[in-house]
Amino acid sequence: EAGVAQSPRYKIIEKRQSVAFWCNPISGHATLYWYQQILGQGPKLLIQFQNNGVVDDSQLPKDRFSAERLKGVDSTLKIQPAKLEDSAVYLCASSSLHTEAFFGQGTRLTVV
Amino acid sequence: EDQVTQSPEALRLQEGESSSLNCSYTVSGLRGLFWYRQDPGKGPEFLFTLYSAGEEKEKERLKATLTKKESFLHITAPKPEDSATYLCAVATNAGKSTFGDGTTLTVKP
Repeated sequence: EAGVAQSPRYKIIEKRQSVAFWCNPISGHATLYWYQQILGQGPKLLIQFQNNGVVDDSQLPKDRFSAERLKGVDSTLKIQPAKLEDSAVYLCASSSLHTEAFFGQGTRLTVV
Repeated sequence: EDQVTQSPEALRLQEGESSSLNCSYTVSGLRGLFWYRQDPGKGPEFLFTLYSAGEEKEKERLKATLTKKESFLHITAPKPEDSATYLCAVATNAGKSTFGDGTTLTVKP
């Protein structure tokens, strides 16, 4: 079974630039999550999709972050404009309804 | 607000020295508690799900237990390959999930 695919693995950008991350979940998983993980901390949920719809985006900084899930499958997370404090690993995960999540390798973002 | 607190932040053990990691939680309507293992540079890897107080799950040298306020991850006779960060997460009946900050375990040969 193929796992959760994310790209790119690494990204370095200057502050105020924009960046986008892509995620392809495990086939058949209706729930997709984007997490932000700062070094030394646990993953923080940014947004959770159930099929096409948003279940929870209460911790998404909506003035600069946006996410979409096309046709209930792939998803993209965008940051525009980036700030220094956005430097983190961005993790995508997927799950069947109410079960454990499977994570991708993550994208390490460095904002300079 | 849902809260998950893990302790200790870091734990160093000698190979074969058993110990426990703690995850205490405050949540409205617990649907399940999850344990994950995270190796450097990788995403978390699922270990266990616990749903109700008194439940226990085992996998090799690991055993997870759950009470109404906390969960323990017991590590029996650890080996160096058990070195990793162990994360605890709670999921609520409302469908929300919250992670703790993890315990970084180092097992010395």
